[in-house]
Amino acid sequence: DTAVSQTPKYLVTQMGNDKSIKCEQNLGHDTMYWYKQDSKKFLKIMFSYNNKELIINETVPNRFSPKSPDKAHLNLHINSLELGDSAVYFCASSQRRQGSVYNEQFFGPGTRLTVL
Amino acid sequence: TQLLEQSPQFLSIQEGENLTVYCNSSSVFSSLQWYRQEPGEGPVLLVTVVTGGEVKKLKRLTFQFGDARKDSSLHITAAQPGDTGLYLCAGALRGGSNYKLTFGKGTLLTVNP
Repeated sequence: DTAVSQTPKYLVTQMGNDKSIKCEQNLGHDTMYWYKQDSKKFLKIMFSYNNKELIINETVPNRFSPKSPDKAHLNLHINSLELGDSAVYFCASSQRRQGSVYNEQFFGPGTRLTVL
Repeated sequence: TQLLEQSPQFLSIQEGENLTVYCNSSSVFSSLQWYRQEPGEGPVLLVTVVTGGEVKKLKRLTFQFGDARKDSSLHITAAQPGDTGLYLCAGALRGGSNYKLTFGKGTLLTVNP
């Protein structure tokens, strides 16, 4: 059973194009995330949604727009792609527990984006 | 400035050896996690530590959270080729959101048979 899935797995596109990456989780979690992992394997959070509400919005160019149609889905749309956007993008999910510091995140397999 | 410093960055050892990976910061964390990532896959959570001085064991892996909750270590005993991967520490800053994890840059471990 796939817990967190992303499509596509690989995405090769030209500079200036617009593209979307989709994420779905079947764990029943209420919180989802987008991370970017650069060529040096540094993983950095971009966005997070809790119950379809944006709760984390890091310093990310506004060419990146997340959308959460429901708790199980979080998509990432990128406009006017640039060379520096090339990276692996990971979706993750977790379940909020009131009063708990635990935040076990489950990651998808990643989408490798290459901008030419 | 990197909030979580991991060392070493690369580690190549022979099967059966022991190793320790460190994760250090000048900031205090309410919780700290260790993940392992294999090529072409997403990180997988190994452990979460929340109490200063806490020690958790997972088979041959021992995790420790520093008394001041600013640092952590991962010790692997009798490493096996299956332990090969990128080990990432990640923490939630005290006073910050538990949802926002800050990751270290990782330690790439290779265990040679």
